[in-house]
Amino acid sequence: GIQVEQSPPDLILQEGANSTLRCNFSDSVNNLQWFHQNPWGQLINLFYIPSGTKQNGRLSATTVATERYSLLYISSSQTTDSGVYFCAVEKRYNNNDMRFGAGTRLTVKP
Amino acid sequence: NAGVMQNPRHLVRRRGQEARLRCSPMKGHSHVYWYRQLPEEGLKFMVYLQKENIIDESGMPKERFSAEFPKEGPSILRIQQVVRGDSAAYFCASSHGLAGETGELFFGEGSRLTVL
Repeated sequence: GIQVEQSPPDLILQEGANSTLRCNFSDSVNNLQWFHQNPWGQLINLFYIPSGTKQNGRLSATTVATERYSLLYISSSQTTDSGVYFCAVEKRYNNNDMRFGAGTRLTVKP
Repeated sequence: NAGVMQNPRHLVRRRGQEARLRCSPMKGHSHVYWYRQLPEEGLKFMVYLQKENIIDESGMPKERFSAEFPKEGPSILRIQQVVRGDSAAYFCASSHGLAGETGELFFGEGSRLTVL
């Protein structure tokens, strides 16, 4: 099956700092999503981004499908950004099987 | 306007009992997925269903676990004779599944099973 690797596994930031989270995947994909799991366990959709670049407020994401990676940018981080960020991909021609990376655990300190 | 609805949010069972977790997909979504998350780990795919059909159950344990998505009503994940290792958060997701692709997944808030 497709391999999904996220880095770094853990990240500690001071409030106001910027960060870049990375997701590498081992095969061509139909679908790629970024999720934020908050400290209460809720999974929140951030981006549906199989290719290209999207922005939503302080967050933006870029997927370079040909090079099999995606980046999530967080600018001016806030304590509410803390939690685990997951990348999930669906392998091309293998529909309906979204595989998750192990996540990046982000802690933003005031 | 409701999202994916899961219940119960928390469930406590003793070893050997049965656990039933329910999931209603978002309006207009016909594809349902179940994932399991152990503490401090990522989400592991269990099963993918459409109405009255199991499409892919490659992530389901062969014994004690079953899932259904009847013509009427929510999807049900059933765990028989629970053991302590079944303690986890079980997340349901739905998508529209149009054009043969998954499309964007939306998750419920999860059901947290604790087996005593």
